[in-house]
Amino acid sequence: AAGVIQSPRHLIKEKRETATLKCYPIPRHDTVYWYQQGPGQDPQFLISFYEKMQSDKGSIPDRFSAQQFSDYHSELNMSSLELGDSALYFCASSLAGGLTDTQYFGPGTRLTVL
Amino acid sequence: GDSVTQMEGPVTLSEEAFLTINCTYTATGYPSLFWYVQYPGEGLQLLLKATKADDKGSNKGFEATYRKETTSFHLEKGSVQVSDSAVYFCALSDRGSNTGKLIFGQGTTLQVKP
Repeated sequence: AAGVIQSPRHLIKEKRETATLKCYPIPRHDTVYWYQQGPGQDPQFLISFYEKMQSDKGSIPDRFSAQQFSDYHSELNMSSLELGDSALYFCASSLAGGLTDTQYFGPGTRLTVL
Repeated sequence: GDSVTQMEGPVTLSEEAFLTINCTYTATGYPSLFWYVQYPGEGLQLLLKATKADDKGSNKGFEATYRKETTSFHLEKGSVQVSDSAVYFCALSDRGSNTGKLIFGQGTTLQVKP
C-alpha cells in the first residue's frame, strides 16, 4: 500500500539559510500534519492543513511557513535557520482529519543545521 | 491542556519476557488513544489504537485497553522478541482542537536481549 512520502530524507544547511521540506500524503488523504522531533524527544505538532486550508497551528516559529497544494502535497518552508532547528520533521496524513481518524506518518526528514 | 505521561525508560528485558509500558493521560472529554513504535532511524508506525472506553487495541501480539476510570492505556505483550526493540510512544488525539492533532508522551525505549 502507498505510504506517506517525504523528501528529502536528509538535509544539511548552514545557519541563516532556508530549507524546504516536502510531503506527499497517501492518495485520497486530504489532511496533512507536520511534527518536529528533537533529539531524544517526543514529536511536537507544528501545523496542519485540511483541504488546502490551514486547520490548526501549534508551536511553529514565525520563521516557518507551510502550505498545502491543489494535489494535496504540502511543503514546510523554514527560513533563517538556527542550530536549534536541527531535528527530525515528520509529515502525517489522514482522511477527513478528525478525532478518530488515524494519522499515518512518513519516514521523516532529518534536518541538520551547522 | 491535554497531556500524556509514559513510564520512563529504558526498559530492558530478556527475550520471551512479559512487557508492560505504562501510559496515563489527562484530557477533556474522551480522546482516541494510540501507540506508535519507532525503530532506529525510521519513522513512526501505528501499532494499535482505541477510540472509546473499554476498547482494546491489538496488533502483532501487543495489546492495550482504554481505561476511562484510571485514564490509562498501558501497552502489554506476553512474550517479547529482540525485533521488538524500539521506542514506543503513547499518544492521544486532542479533542480541544478540531483537527485531531496528536499529543505524544515522552517515549519509552525498549531493549530486548537474546
